[in-house]
Amino acid sequence: GENVEQHPSTLSVQEGDSAVIKCTYSDSASNYFPWYKQELGKRPQLIIDIRSNVGEKKDQRIAVTLNKTAKHFSLHITETQPEDSAVYFCAASAEAGTALIFGKGTTLSVSS
Amino acid sequence: KAGVTQTPRYLIKTRGQQVTLSCSPISGHRSVSWYQQTPGQGLQFLFEYFSETQRNKGNFPGRFSGRQFSNSRSEMNVSTLELGDSALYLCASRPGQGVPGELFFGEGSRLTVL
Repeated sequence: GENVEQHPSTLSVQEGDSAVIKCTYSDSASNYFPWYKQELGKRPQLIIDIRSNVGEKKDQRIAVTLNKTAKHFSLHITETQPEDSAVYFCAASAEAGTALIFGKGTTLSVSS
Repeated sequence: KAGVTQTPRYLIKTRGQQVTLSCSPISGHRSVSWYQQTPGQGLQFLFEYFSETQRNKGNFPGRFSGRQFSNSRSEMNVSTLELGDSALYLCASRPGQGVPGELFFGEGSRLTVL
């Protein structure tokens, strides 16, 4: 089955800096790669996703890149703000009907 | 539209007991997935139900089971509880099993096993 590795497990940045979180997946059939943000005490929520027919997707200060050959994808957050502090999870799933498998998460701390 | 609702929110059990957790998905959503969240282990997939059938299963022992009812509500059961079962159990729903899309999570049921 699918296995998703996520690095780093913790990341501390200064406000205004950029943050990058990287994930690798094992199943070459995976074609859907979402990112979820979980604030302290809250439920995980989707912030951005990318499908295998797209190499990069941006939404304001966040972007996701995908390299299907290398089987890895990354989340980029620019101009970080204290409210970006949270746990971020990457995930992958293959064809319709397969489970969404998550990485172990990255705790991002943005200090002002 | 109401979100995903999980009950109970908090519960304390002792080793050897069993527990049942409930999840009501967003109206119209027919797929329900369950995840176990523990510090350092992230969101570990338990199982997914669609149209009352278990469609996918994670690598958890047989003590973990679930079911889905005709109204798409789902329950999961853990028998013979162990200390390591202490975790936040999250339920998530999505409309169907078509093209993969957003999972909508509930607030979770926090289980403590003493």
